Amino acid sequence: KAGVTQTPRYLIKTRGQQVTLSCSPISGHRSVSWYQQTPGQGLQFLFEYFSETQRNKGNFPGRFSGRQFSNSRSEMNVSTLELGDSALYLCASSLGIYDLVNFGPGTRLTVT
Amino acid sequence: DAKTTQPNSMESNEEEPVHLPCNHSTISGTDYIHWYRQLPSQGPEYVIHGLTSNVNNRMASLAIAEDRKSSTLILHRATLRDAAVYYCILRDHGSGNTGKLIFGQGTTLQVKP
Repeated sequence: KAGVTQTPRYLIKTRGQQVTLSCSPISGHRSVSWYQQTPGQGLQFLFEYFSETQRNKGNFPGRFSGRQFSNSRSEMNVSTLELGDSALYLCASSLGIYDLVNFGPGTRLTVT
Repeated sequence: DAKTTQPNSMESNEEEPVHLPCNHSTISGTDYIHWYRQLPSQGPEYVIHGLTSNVNNRMASLAIAEDRKSSTLILHRATLRDAAVYYCILRDHGSGNTGKLIFGQGTTLQVKP
């Protein structure tokens, strides 16, 4: 089985712009979650989706949003980018909400 | 969310066993203990998990204290490929929670040849 895939792998954006990151879960997995990783804050939970419904949300501003499609693929969007949004964004999928989590390789976002 | 405490870093020699400790004194009855590791430039990968009993798999062993307030990840023979950041995570499967992962700072394991 193919693992979790994320596109793009690297991205450079300018302050004030918006960005959309994509995640394709492992086939059959219905739960998708997103994490932000920075050197200062470590790995932080952003949000989790199951069957197109947001089940949980981390402590991030409203500029961060996400959605899940009927085929379980997910996107996350960050609007009005700030320098502090530079991070590795990780997507993870699991069969169900409590099943083992498989992470993708991440998207490295740099905001200049 | 219950928290875990791990040493910031540890060193090991290649082919020797490594014991990575984790304290979780506020663990609740529905918390599972999960271990993930993150190799350089990769996303975290699952290592092992358990609830009450000790667990073994092809990667590692997990020893859980009788009161469940601490646990130890055991790598039986460390290799250079085991150099990574190891995260001990409590995952709540009860109270209507979704089982999200709350990562701490983890333990950076260095393996010397």
